Amino acid sequence: SQQGEEDPQALSIQEGENATMNCSYKTSINNLQWYRQNSGRGLVHLILIRSNEREKHSGRLRVTLDTSKKSSSLLITASRAADTASYFCATDNTGTASKLTFGTGTRLQVTL
Amino acid sequence: DAGITQSPRHKVTETGTPVTLRCHQTENHRYMYWYRQDPGHGLRLIHYSYGVKDTDKGEVSDGYSVSRSKTEDFLLTLESATSSQTSVYFCAISEKGKGQGENIQYFGAGTRLSVL
Repeated sequence: SQQGEEDPQALSIQEGENATMNCSYKTSINNLQWYRQNSGRGLVHLILIRSNEREKHSGRLRVTLDTSKKSSSLLITASRAADTASYFCATDNTGTASKLTFGTGTRLQVTL
Repeated sequence: DAGITQSPRHKVTETGTPVTLRCHQTENHRYMYWYRQDPGHGLRLIHYSYGVKDTDKGEVSDGYSVSRSKTEDFLLTLESATSSQTSVYFCAISEKGKGQGENIQYFGAGTRLSVL
């Protein structure tokens, strides 16, 4: 399987704390994306980082990419209860057709 | 979920029966995808389409077929449903594919299928 792996599988933090989740992948990529999935809903795109970028910010989100280690991390700062969701990384792999390969996800629980 | 409608949202069927799931989009996007989501496996691609009547297999295509006769509709058919096909199915669309820029995907709300 070409799937990426997310770490940790589950994460529980308190509101106001930072949440960090990691993604490792296996092949060379054009870009890496992060998606959020609220319970019972479809995935929603959060942020994309290109293979020639090392860090990207969007609001309270910070994404890093290390292509030499084939890994990425998503940091959510000052977490809120509304951030409770599953988070998935997805890679757009070089040499493949127009499709993404999704990781297995990290389940984040933010408590009050 | 805007612009993407999956139907039905829930379905219970018996082993051996045919099942068709529908994905309808109003965005006029060229690319459409069918995924299944199972605990511990994340999302796995079943089939995708890169245009009307142009489809290709994903990593878990066995037991599934698709059709796309119009830009807006992408159908997923289980010819003879099995219990292993019990899952949540998601449709996604994308405006851009390889060589055209970033393939950002937009997802429908999902169809929960139970095969008894």
